[in-house]
Order: sequence, then structure tokens, then C-alpha cells
Amino acid sequence: KQEVTQIPAALSVPEGENLVLNCSFTDSAIYNLQWFRQDPGKGLTSLLLIQSSQREQTSGRLNASLDKSSGRSTLYIAASQPGDSATYLCAVSWVNKFYFGSGTKLNVKP
Amino acid sequence: AAGVIQSPRHLIKEKRETATLKCYPIPRHDTVYWYQQGPGQDPQFLISFYEKMQSDKGSIPDRFSAQQFSDYHSELNMSSLELGDSALYFCASSSYRAGHNEQFFGPGTRLTVL
Repeated sequence: KQEVTQIPAALSVPEGENLVLNCSFTDSAIYNLQWFRQDPGKGLTSLLLIQSSQREQTSGRLNASLDKSSGRSTLYIAASQPGDSATYLCAVSWVNKFYFGSGTKLNVKP
Repeated sequence: AAGVIQSPRHLIKEKRETATLKCYPIPRHDTVYWYQQGPGQDPQFLISFYEKMQSDKGSIPDRFSAQQFSDYHSELNMSSLELGDSALYFCASSSYRAGHNEQFFGPGTRLTVL
């Protein structure tokens, strides 16, 4: 069974800092990897999708990389803002089955 | 753009009652997923459907069943409800035919079992 781990579990940074969130998975036979953002009590918002054949994806201040062979993905957030405060989840899929990590709770202080 | 629709948004039931949650995927999406998220936990995959057929099964209790209908909407039926079933239930949809299977989540149904 796929195990997904996210480090750190929580992160508090001052506004403007660049930061990196980590996601690792045990089975490299994945179909894709997706990063989500979740605000308290809300649904999940898709941030970036990396297909298994890709190395990275970028959207605005976000950049996600994927290294399948080592079972790792990172989400890089540039120039963090208080509005970025949320829980960030990574999910890996094998076709139509997805496994989530437990998330990194980010707090960006003004 | 159209998003995934879930109904109801909130549901309160008593123990041993039955609940039905509904999900309407994004138009032209062929795959639907159901997840359960307990307080402070990550979403747990329950079940998925591709083109109205069950595709994959996760940690779905035997008391739960689901199906996808001809119009692609899906229903999660939960019987003999227990206190531990109180959670956020998410539905997501994707287009497997599009080649990337990016999931889009609905707002969730918050189920409270008293």
C-alpha cells in the first residue's frame, strides 16, 4: 500500500519568506501527483498537477517538482503572503486511486 | 466554470439511521471519487467510479455503498450510522480520458451523527 508522508507537519513563517514543503511516497509507480490547499472546514483546491512523466510544474508563485525515482515531491512557495495560510496536502495516484499525505499546516505571519 | 456539486452540504442523523449523499461531477468528467475526512485527519479514499463502473475501492465500510448513474452523478449510501461516521465527505471528479486525471473536489458534505 502506498504511504505518503509530508514534512513538516506545521510551519510558521513571516510574510515574504520563500518556503519549501516536502512530500515523500513509498511506491514510485505513480500515475500523477497533485498538490492541494485546504482552508479550515473547506474543500480542497487543486494547486498543481504533475504527471508521472513530468519533472515540475509552475503556477504563479508556486513551483512543484517531482522525483519519482526517489519518491519525493516539493512545493516551493515564493514571497509568502498571509493569504497563503492553509493546510497543504499532496496526493499521489495510481490510476483511479489516490493516497493523501497528512498535510503541512502553514501560517504566514503579517 | 462549473464545479463539482455536492448535496446536502450539512446533514444531521441519529445513530442507526441511513444517509444518502449526492455528487454531481464537472460536465464531461468520466470519473468520480468519494473521500471521508475525519476531524484533523487527511482525506481517506473510499471508492471511485469510471464510466459508471466501480473502479477502485479503498477503506469503505461494508455499511456503505455507492453507485454512479447514467447521468454520471453519484450517490453514497450509508446505513446503520455510527458516531464515528461523523466527518466531512468529499466527492471529486476527473477526466481520465484527458490523460492526466486531475481531481477537482466538491465543497463536501458535513455529516454529524448524534
